[in-house]
Amino acid sequence: EPEVTQTPSHQVTQMGQEVILRCVPISNHLYFYWYRQILGQKVEFLVSFYNNEISEKSEIFDDQFSVERPDGSNFTLKIRSTKLEDSAMYFCASSEWRLAGTYEQYFGPGTRLTVT
Amino acid sequence: KNEVEQSPQNLTAQEGEFITINCSYSVGISALHWLQQHPGGGIVSLFMLSSGKKKHGRLIATINIQEKHSSLHITASHPRDSAVYICAVKGYGGSQGNLIFGKGTKLSVKP
Repeated sequence: EPEVTQTPSHQVTQMGQEVILRCVPISNHLYFYWYRQILGQKVEFLVSFYNNEISEKSEIFDDQFSVERPDGSNFTLKIRSTKLEDSAMYFCASSEWRLAGTYEQYFGPGTRLTVT
Repeated sequence: KNEVEQSPQNLTAQEGEFITINCSYSVGISALHWLQQHPGGGIVSLFMLSSGKKKHGRLIATINIQEKHSSLHITASHPRDSAVYICAVKGYGGSQGNLIFGKGTKLSVKP
């Protein structure tokens, strides 16, 4: 069964460093998303991406964050200058395109980011 | 005020018991998702509902749009069902990914 994959599974970085989290969505999916979950808290929406551009972003997704689809398979989340409060589990998800209606999302296993 | 409320927060059951997890929401929605988060952190989509009822194996999800309420039922529960179950809603407008998540219900099924 096709699945969303994410690398790395765990990333440790120092405050102020740039990190890139990588995701490979399911191949025929056209919508991509990033979410984060701070330890012990609920999952939060960061950004939606479709047709090579951001379709929606949350207040969390400030200028320190960016997303990119550098090739036909990868979808990346970059944090330019990490802060301690960026420590969280980051989930990538993807969904297919349909003419109408709401789409089921398929989640990756997550990348645990630890900022020291 | 939380837009998505789940109850109970924690639930312990004996193997074989029938389990119900509830989700109430305060916004108008176009769809509701039930997700399962494993102890290792990974998330699996169980159901997406916009009306009525869906069944998959031992899992049943129902939604009452008028009452803004959904339930997830697990029949003949098993220790492998132990996980956090998360309700998430998609409001009207905006992108598909802009889900509002509940805090989750932690289920522990004892053998």
